[in-house]
Amino acid sequence: AQTVTQSQPEMSVQEAETVTLSCTYDTSESDYYLFWYKQPPSRQMILVIRQEAYKQQNATENRFSVNFQKAAKSFSLKISDSQLGDAAMYFCARNSGNTPLVFGKGTRLSVIA
Amino acid sequence: EAQVTQNPRYLITVTGKKLTVTCSQNMNHEYMSWYRQDPGLGLRQIYYSMNVEVTDKGDVPEGYKVSRKEKRNFPLILESPSPNQTSLYFCASSWTGVSYEQYFGPGTRLTVT
Repeated sequence: AQTVTQSQPEMSVQEAETVTLSCTYDTSESDYYLFWYKQPPSRQMILVIRQEAYKQQNATENRFSVNFQKAAKSFSLKISDSQLGDAAMYFCARNSGNTPLVFGKGTRLSVIA
Repeated sequence: EAQVTQNPRYLITVTGKKLTVTCSQNMNHEYMSWYRQDPGLGLRQIYYSMNVEVTDKGDVPEGYKVSRKEKRNFPLILESPSPNQTSLYFCASSWTGVSYEQYFGPGTRLTVT
């Protein structure tokens, strides 16, 4: 089975500091997209950032950026200047043509004031 | 407002009593999907639909049924619920294609006693 692995069940970060959440994936497809979703206590799933496999440049959205290492099949999320509102579950996901969206098991991020 | 709605948001039921969780989207998306979320397991896909009258099994389809008679609606049916189906359920929709993000409903918390 093609999988997405998040090896850190829980992480914590001090407010205003930077944290990196890890994700590795497995795929035999050449065309795919990678996503990070945030799930706050409200349970709503919110897209944080996406990355196309063909693009070398790492995606950035304000304080959120990714480190995409295609050969290593790694897709980590970096959150800079962490805020209390960043506390949530974060899910990494992979979408490819022949297989529907596959999620990792999630990383629970706590932000310490 | 573009959205995915689910009803009910919370449901407590007993083993064997048939139930339906409705899902509706107003974005004219072709693709719709159901997930269940369990602690430590992330989101696992139950069923998905590429378009009207086209449905397919996800990773955990046992005990569930779906139908897609209209583009906007994708109900999830539990013919004979069991306690192991106690979970948080999400409906999602998107345009067809690997690059498109999925829009999630607010979730349905189901408890089967």
